Amino acid sequence: EAGVVQSPRYKIIEKKQPVAFWCNPISGHNTLYWYLQNLGQGPELLIRYENEEAVDDSQLPKDRFSAERLKGVDSTLKIQPAELGDSAVYLCASSLELAGYNEQFFGPGTRLTVL
Amino acid sequence: KNQVEQSPQSLIILEGKNCTLQCNYTVSPFSNLRWYKQDTGRGPVSLTIMTFSENTKSNGRYTATLDADTKQSSLHITASQLSDSASYICVVSANYGQNFVFGPGTRLSVLP
Repeated sequence: EAGVVQSPRYKIIEKKQPVAFWCNPISGHNTLYWYLQNLGQGPELLIRYENEEAVDDSQLPKDRFSAERLKGVDSTLKIQPAELGDSAVYLCASSLELAGYNEQFFGPGTRLTVL
Repeated sequence: KNQVEQSPQSLIILEGKNCTLQCNYTVSPFSNLRWYKQDTGRGPVSLTIMTFSENTKSNGRYTATLDADTKQSSLHITASQLSDSASYICVVSANYGQNFVFGPGTRLSVLP
C-alpha cells in the first residue's frame, strides 16, 4: 500500500513569490493534516480536514496561507507571498480511526527555502 | 495550555548501549500518547501508542512507559544500532483523539 505522497520534495524560491505544495493521502483516509516543522522542533498543525471540510484552521496564517482539499482526497497548500520566515518543512499526514484512536501516517515532507 | 516537553534535547551514545528518553506533558483531556521516530529528511513514523490504561508497550528494542498520574512517559532503547540515529518525538493526543500536541523531539546520535 502506498504511503502519503508529497511533492515537490524540495522547493527554493525568492521572497514574495508564490509557492504550492501537493499531498495525496493514503487511500481511504478521511482526515488530512498539514503541519509546519522548523529545524529541531516538532510539527505544528496548520490545518486539519475531515473529507472536504476544514475543521481546524485556527493556526493557519490566512493572510498568506490557503489550502484546499477538493473531492476530499488530494490537498494543496499555498503560500502567497512567501516570506523568509516561511522556510521550513511542510508535512502532510492522513489518518484512519483504528480501535478508537486516530493513527497518523506522515508523508516525507516538502522542504521550502525562501531566499 | 496543552504542552509537551522532552529531554534531553540531544543525546550521543555508542552503538550497543541503552538509552532512555523522557517526555512530560500537560494535556487534557488526555486521549493517548505516541512516540514517533523521524529520520533526517523523512516524515515521522509511529513506534508505540499508549492509552490511559496502559503503562508499558514494546516494539522490538523500543519500550515505552506511561505514568498517567505524573504525566510522564519514557522511551527506552535497548542495544542501540546506528540506524537508531534519528529524532524521537513524543505526541499526546487530546480531545478524544482529534488534536495532537507534539513535543520538540530528542535528537539521538548513535556512534560506532
